[in-house]
Amino acid sequence: AQSVTQLDSQVPVFEEAPVELRCNYSSSVSVYLFWYVQYPNQGLQLLLKYLSGSTLVKGINGFEAEFNKSQTSFHLRKPSVHISDTAEYFCAVSGRMDSSYKLIFGSGTRLLVRP
Amino acid sequence: GAVVSQHPSWVICKSGTSVKIECRSLDFQATTMFWYRQFPKQSLMLMATSNEGSKATYEQGVEKDKFLINHASLTLSTLTVTSAHPEDSSFYICSARDRSGGSSYEQYFGPGTRLTVT
Repeated sequence: AQSVTQLDSQVPVFEEAPVELRCNYSSSVSVYLFWYVQYPNQGLQLLLKYLSGSTLVKGINGFEAEFNKSQTSFHLRKPSVHISDTAEYFCAVSGRMDSSYKLIFGSGTRLLVRP
Repeated sequence: GAVVSQHPSWVICKSGTSVKIECRSLDFQATTMFWYRQFPKQSLMLMATSNEGSKATYEQGVEKDKFLINHASLTLSTLTVTSAHPEDSSFYICSARDRSGGSSYEQYFGPGTRLTVT
């Protein structure tokens, strides 16, 4: 079984500042990792995913994340945030050999960008 | 591409009535669809996995008879909340996995349905 921990429930940051949203996972098997963004009263939109290959993954809207197997982490970063990045961000994991294709979500981190 | 729609986007119903929520993959065929429930300011909780032409697989603690799921075609899954009560009020989100996705684990999410039971 897998689990995901997002330690920060809310991250306030000023516009144009860099940001890092932390995600740690636990799994007894190899995993796929995802970051999703959710705007108010909307569904989830995929930001980026790590399936294999390079551990540095680039996604949409200038976001990137780095898979660190030894630290079981998949932190999300953006060098300069915009007001429009204010949203809820979810980290998710799926077991590589899990034929059910289930996603296990973290509790979410609210990114609050201030002018 | 990979668009998932949900209908209705919001619904208010009286306690004791049933409500049906539709989830459609608009431009791809979905072998598997998932239903989630999300309480305010909380994460998504997987309720069930729906496979076309077979019975849904429910997560532990989810009442099968209360949350009826039907995946009648490769583009449509429905969730019916039977005999709804105020505690069923929540945001329900579906997602779909592209049939042609091979080993891809990516899920495409619908915009969600806000259910309020009075």
